[in-house]
Amino acid sequence: DSGVTQTPKHLITATGQRVTLRCSPRSGDLSVYWYQQSLDQGLQFLIQYYNGEERAKGNILERFSAQQFPDLHSELNLSSLELGDSALYFCASGIGPPGSPLHFGNGTRLTVT
Amino acid sequence: GQQVMQIPQYQHVQEGEDFTTYCNSSTTLSNIQWYKQRPGGHPVFLIQLVKSGEVKKQKRLTFQFGEAKKNSSLHITATQTTDVGTYFCADTNSGYALNFGKGTSLLVTP
Repeated sequence: DSGVTQTPKHLITATGQRVTLRCSPRSGDLSVYWYQQSLDQGLQFLIQYYNGEERAKGNILERFSAQQFPDLHSELNLSSLELGDSALYFCASGIGPPGSPLHFGNGTRLTVT
Repeated sequence: GQQVMQIPQYQHVQEGEDFTTYCNSSTTLSNIQWYKQRPGGHPVFLIQLVKSGEVKKQKRLTFQFGEAKKNSSLHITATQTTDVGTYFCADTNSGYALNFGKGTSLLVTP
């Protein structure tokens, strides 16, 4: 058990809809990272928050947004969903400094139909 | 950021054979991390290499960081079925985020 909690485990929704994925980091970790994993693209970095503030952005679409709350949990919002957004979304947490090892949650499997 | 390249993409071995996966970069890496993802699971941190020429061992796993810090390798001696999974290397050259290679999927046949 990594200590990182992600909900829900599975999500099935239709194109055009909006969903919210939730992540609680490991106790003591201030950084939260979101990654998207699809078969052909591997693990793609989306966004990172550190202690409530956005720290780095990767290949995150404008239709996607995220935030980290004062209690350090994070939410990833995906809107105007398309079939191509179907993927496994991982949240990971770390103590903070660049290069710190990451601890991944079990992921949320999103299926857009 | 610059993505690290991993080879091979897939590797199928008989149990007891050795396995090696390579991670290459065109730029100098500050450090490299290795993760393992079992089928249906999530990536799990294995090790971090920081120094040029560094070699670290974990039981049957040997990790190396190249002298020029542009490549790294993971070698598994005498594979077991429990070694099945995808092995990723990741670097932080682009700043705060870890950028992952596309991974090497290892299949071990008993």
